Amino acid sequence: EVQLVESGGGVVQPGRSLRLSCAASGFTFSDHYMDWVRQAPGKGFEWVGRTKNREKSYTTEFAASVKGRFNIVRDDSRMSLFLQMNSLRTEDTAVYFCVTYLSGYPYWGQGTQVTVSS
Amino acid sequence: DIVLTQSPGTLSLSPGERATLSCRASQTFDTKYFAWYQQKPGQPPRLLLYSASSRATDISDRFSGTGSGTDFTLTINRLESEDFALYYCHRYDGSPPYTFGQGTRLE
Repeated sequence: EVQLVESGGGVVQPGRSLRLSCAASGFTFSDHYMDWVRQAPGKGFEWVGRTKNREKSYTTEFAASVKGRFNIVRDDSRMSLFLQMNSLRTEDTAVYFCVTYLSGYPYWGQGTQVTVSS
Repeated sequence: DIVLTQSPGTLSLSPGERATLSCRASQTFDTKYFAWYQQKPGQPPRLLLYSASSRATDISDRFSGTGSGTDFTLTINRLESEDFALYYCHRYDGSPPYTFGQGTRLE
């Protein structure tokens, strides 16, 4: 069974950093792309970023709203995905989900809440 | 960027009726990487359809999807009380950003 479990969320002040984790199981992690998607309170979904697999040289892509502030790292040996968030803003407040796609079939985690507030 | 526009914003129907939700893209893309989701308050999204028309695991056959090019439709037959929720479309491959529609509220 495919499982994605996010952790690391919390309350952080503007300008500070936070690192989210996503623990994966039930599939060959190293073969698949991994995304981070977020949902601000009362809003729709926003794709945050992607890391491709080894075959695609672990290429990363980011939404314009986070480019230069966020980074995605994957550790295939630990089947883990990380989202390093720097220079956080109040508008980064959201639930953050990790997502993968197996043969085009999306799987989502339950999400972790990040609140940026002074 | 490819923009996904969902319509209507809100759809008001009664149990037993049919719901037709639309998602229109600003450019064509590979429909293999297009999904529909349902979301209820306080819950993560639930995958309904992927590859535009393939039902996800344990999804009722009352849910169906069609579409190609730039126009996609989610149809829900014989609405049941648990179907009243928010619905989102999503494109998840090609060139970034991998955008979502803004949502349709089914009430």
